[in-house]
Amino acid sequence: GAGVSQTPSNKVTEKGKYVELRCDPISGHTALYWYRQSLGQGPEFLIYFQGTGAADDSGLPNDRFFAVRPEGSVSTLKIQRTERGDSAVYLCASTRGGQRTDTQYFGPGTRLTVL
Amino acid sequence: DAKTTQPTSMDCAEGRAANLPCNHSTISGNEYVYWYRQIHSQGPQYIIHGLKNNETNEMASLIITEDRKSSTLILPHATLRDTAVYYCIVRVPSGTYKYIFGTGTRLKVLA
Repeated sequence: GAGVSQTPSNKVTEKGKYVELRCDPISGHTALYWYRQSLGQGPEFLIYFQGTGAADDSGLPNDRFFAVRPEGSVSTLKIQRTERGDSAVYLCASTRGGQRTDTQYFGPGTRLTVL
Repeated sequence: DAKTTQPTSMDCAEGRAANLPCNHSTISGNEYVYWYRQIHSQGPQYIIHGLKNNETNEMASLIITEDRKSSTLILPHATLRDTAVYYCIVRVPSGTYKYIFGTGTRLKVLA
């Protein structure tokens, strides 16, 4: 079946603007993760959803970052008042149920560039 | 959370086995080791995972030492398409089960 999809694939914005990044998980996957990957680094955890609720948002860097998953499927990562340091690839991953042995399947990412 | 240490880069001749080491000396008894790879401009791709025993699938083999402090990913016959960054990941064993990525090993397969 279809994998995890993310839109847009690239987003260029100006400092101070608001952006939304979308993730469509694999159908039926109840757990969803957001990661951020800076150039030359491995992905870093941002937030985890089990169903509609954010079960762990400890990786969000500050209150400019927010994510929702209102119907337990599609998720949107929202960044307010973007800063140049927010430039990175934002990755989404989903698993069947967020269990100990569930494998995370990643989308292709959204490359965000803040000018 | 356990951390992993990997060499920054490695080269491998096409057709030869690529052996990628990973140190996870602080791993706890119920933490799994996962391996992913990331080809340029793509999301990480799952390869294999294990807890204690050695594992093999169609992509690779995973050898975990008896004390579980290190592991080796083996690509038996590397091809040019295996050129990628390989991540050894220890998964948080409860709650979120989030992945803790390191900086990975950049493997270059040479023709």
